[in-house]
Order: sequence, then C-alpha cells, then structure tokens
Amino acid sequence: QVQLQESGPGLVKPSETLSLTCAVSGDSFGGYFWSWIRQPAGKELEWIGRIYVSGSTNYNPSLRSRVTMSLDTSKNQFSLKLNSVTAADTAVYYCAREWGYWGQGMLVTVSS
Amino acid sequence: AIQMTQSPSSLSASVGDRVTITCRATQGIRNDLGWFQQKPGKAPKLLIYAASTLQSGVPSRFSGSGSGTDFTLTISSLQPEDFATYYCLQDYNYPFSFGQGTKLEIK
Repeated sequence: QVQLQESGPGLVKPSETLSLTCAVSGDSFGGYFWSWIRQPAGKELEWIGRIYVSGSTNYNPSLRSRVTMSLDTSKNQFSLKLNSVTAADTAVYYCAREWGYWGQGMLVTVSS
Repeated sequence: AIQMTQSPSSLSASVGDRVTITCRATQGIRNDLGWFQQKPGKAPKLLIYAASTLQSGVPSRFSGSGSGTDFTLTISSLQPEDFATYYCLQDYNYPFSFGQGTKLEIK
C-alpha cells in the first residue's frame, strides 16, 4: 500500500524558506510523477510543481522564482523548498503521486 | 495558462438525487482531466481520471464524461458520504490547474 507523509516546520517566519519533505512508503519512485499542491484555508487547490524520478522538474510560473524540488531515491523521499515566504504562502501543503495517492497534508503558517 | 471553471459553485441535493457538476476549460485539453472529492480536513481523493475512467475502488455511481473543453461529473444516486467538495484538474498543459470547487450540501 502506497503511503505518503509530509513533514517539516509548521511555522515559518516571513522572508525565510519553507522546507517540506514527503516520505514515500510502499513503492519506489520509478515511472511516476510526484507533485506538490497547496490549499489556503477555505480556498481552492493550487498546483505548485512536479518532479520525475530523473530529477526533471516543472513548476507553476506563479511560484517558479521561489520554488525548488528535489528527490532522494536512497531515502525514498522528495522535497519542496519555497523561499522568501509571506503570509500568502500560509496553506495546507500536500504531496502526491499523481494522482491516486496523497499525503494527509501539512499546515504551514507564515508568521513572525 | 488554462483556467478551469466549475459550475455550480455550490449545490444542495438530497440522498438519492442524481447530480451533475460541470467543468469548462479555457482551451482544449483532450481528455486530460481528473475529478477529486475532498472532505473537510482531508486530502483530495481521486474519483475519475482521463475524463471518464473510474479510479479503482470508487463506487460506480460516479461517472465522468467529456473531451476538449467541456466535462461533467455525475453522481447517479447520492449517498450520505458523497456530501463534500469536488474539484476538477487539468494536467494537459503546464501549469496544471484546478477548478474552484463545487460544494455539495445536504438539502
């Protein structure tokens, strides 16, 4: 059974970097795309970007200048970094193996 | 960027009703569309992919149709557990984009 679990700081200060990791169990990375999605409270879902096992990435242009995704196949995990955060980046962040498997989501609050 | 517009934004219905939610893309996306169900505090759950293919384990009362720019999600007979918010997603072109959601409430 494939399972994904987000982890990282739940509170980030403005202008700092949000860093999240998604641990994958029950499967390897091969052959799939892995995405990050976020959802501000009470709002719609926003696709942040995706990464393939080769390491190739595609990012949402609205965030491209601030986003970096990477993966570590030896640890079966992939990561998201979003720099220069503001309050507008406060959201629940989800990782997903497109599109049938999702993590439970992690609330990240940007506040001083 | 492709924008996805869902209608209605909210819908009240009763158990046993047949309901249809639509999603329209601002340009053609072939059949590269998925439908998701989300309940409060939970991650979205994939119901339909490739516009009309039922995800494994999803009840057959859910169905999807459409191609190009216009798509529909139909629930043939609403069950109590179906009251949730539904989203469409296009993964035809970058950036991928979700609809704004349709909240399905009990009448």
